[in-house]
Amino acid sequence: DADVTQTPRNRITKTGKRIMLECSQTKGHDRMYWYRQDPGLGLRLIYYSFDVKDINKGEISDGYSVSRQAQAKFSLSLESAIPNQTALYFCATSGGANTGELFFGEGSRLTVL
Amino acid sequence: GQNIDQPTEMTATEGAIVQINCTYQTSGFNGLFWYQQHAGEAPTFLSYNVLDGLEEKGRFSSFLSRSKGYSYLLLKELQMKDSASYLCAVREEYKLSFGAGTTVTVRA
Repeated sequence: DADVTQTPRNRITKTGKRIMLECSQTKGHDRMYWYRQDPGLGLRLIYYSFDVKDINKGEISDGYSVSRQAQAKFSLSLESAIPNQTALYFCATSGGANTGELFFGEGSRLTVL
Repeated sequence: GQNIDQPTEMTATEGAIVQINCTYQTSGFNGLFWYQQHAGEAPTFLSYNVLDGLEEKGRFSSFLSRSKGYSYLLLKELQMKDSASYLCAVREEYKLSFGAGTTVTVRA
């Protein structure tokens, strides 16, 4: 089983719909991140959390919100999806006394029509 | 903030060597990572440099010069399975900022 699990893996939705992407991890890491990936733009940080009560905006947080319900869970919401939010979304974790290396989930491909 | 540049694409022959360069500008630096990403899959960790010099790990090596804001990833004895995107990422505290990635195509 994957250490970092994302659901759903694929979702097609319509403009204006609310969408939630969920991430859970069994690595025991404190730090969790949401990135989106677009062709030619690489991975861009949306939100990150260093603890259950800690939420921080990344470089492209507009149109997104997050919830850190527990150490192991970090969800990303799109309150009213728009077509330019079509992308591949990755959750990642980091923790302990390591180098800050990120461990990625398998990705959630979201298409907004 | 971060400004991370790497070439968009590179092509090489099986068995050859390819060097992927990465330049960066950052207000804070806590290390540089290289990740490999196959199409449609998650990025996987390749290497980490925090001090100047060369880190070797099997067929892959990574070099860092902090004063020049420069790193490279060297892939030796290329295999077909090395066809992938290679991502340079700079760490600032506990956040990683990524370059757009270099797509390497290995030809027989």
